[in-house]
Amino acid sequence: DTGVSQNPRHKITKRGQNVTFRCDPISEHNRLYWYRQTLGQGPEFLTYFQNEAQLEKSRLLSDRFSAERPKGSFSTLEIQRTEQGDSAMYLCASSSDFAGKQFFGPGTRLTVL
Amino acid sequence: AQTVTQSQPEMSVQEAETVTLSCTYDTSESNYYLFWYKQPPSRQMILVIRQEAYKQQNATENRFSVNFQKAAKSFSLKISDSQLGDTAMYFCAFMILIQGAQKLVFGQGTRLTINP
Repeated sequence: DTGVSQNPRHKITKRGQNVTFRCDPISEHNRLYWYRQTLGQGPEFLTYFQNEAQLEKSRLLSDRFSAERPKGSFSTLEIQRTEQGDSAMYLCASSSDFAGKQFFGPGTRLTVL
Repeated sequence: AQTVTQSQPEMSVQEAETVTLSCTYDTSESNYYLFWYKQPPSRQMILVIRQEAYKQQNATENRFSVNFQKAAKSFSLKISDSQLGDTAMYFCAFMILIQGAQKLVFGQGTRLTINP
């Protein structure tokens, strides 16, 4: 049984650099979510895919952020021109149906120096 | 806007004791789900329990149960016979049931420590 996987687990970058994270959902799940969690806070919703279609984006997702899910399988989240305020844990979750339980990956911890 | 409030930043109990974590939420919607998630130190988020708002019966999962008070918009989690492995951050979360994204709205969490 393979759960949700995310790579890399940790990323340290310098301000102004671009970074890309990958999420592999549970194979039969057609819904995929990205959340951001800062230290001491609960996760906040960023964006949602149903199959390959990106159906909702939070206002937290500035124009420096872009997410894709080609072919409705894995997803990538790219942050361009990183800022120190982007430092956070980026969580991916997937679910199989409407209002289904969301299963989370281990997250990618981003540190922007 | 929907909000979730967890008023207890930290709690600590002895092993085998019962502990209750509080959660309140605010919404004008009538159709929604409520969740408790557990996030152990340096480990991933795990679903503990889910409650459908249309169900009057409180959900239970082994040692975990909820007290869902819809009118009061309250959703507390009770952990019976607490174990060392229950030590974690616990997040209460809310999901509106509408077409499109069923995004989770989380509270700020309660850090629970089970002491031996």
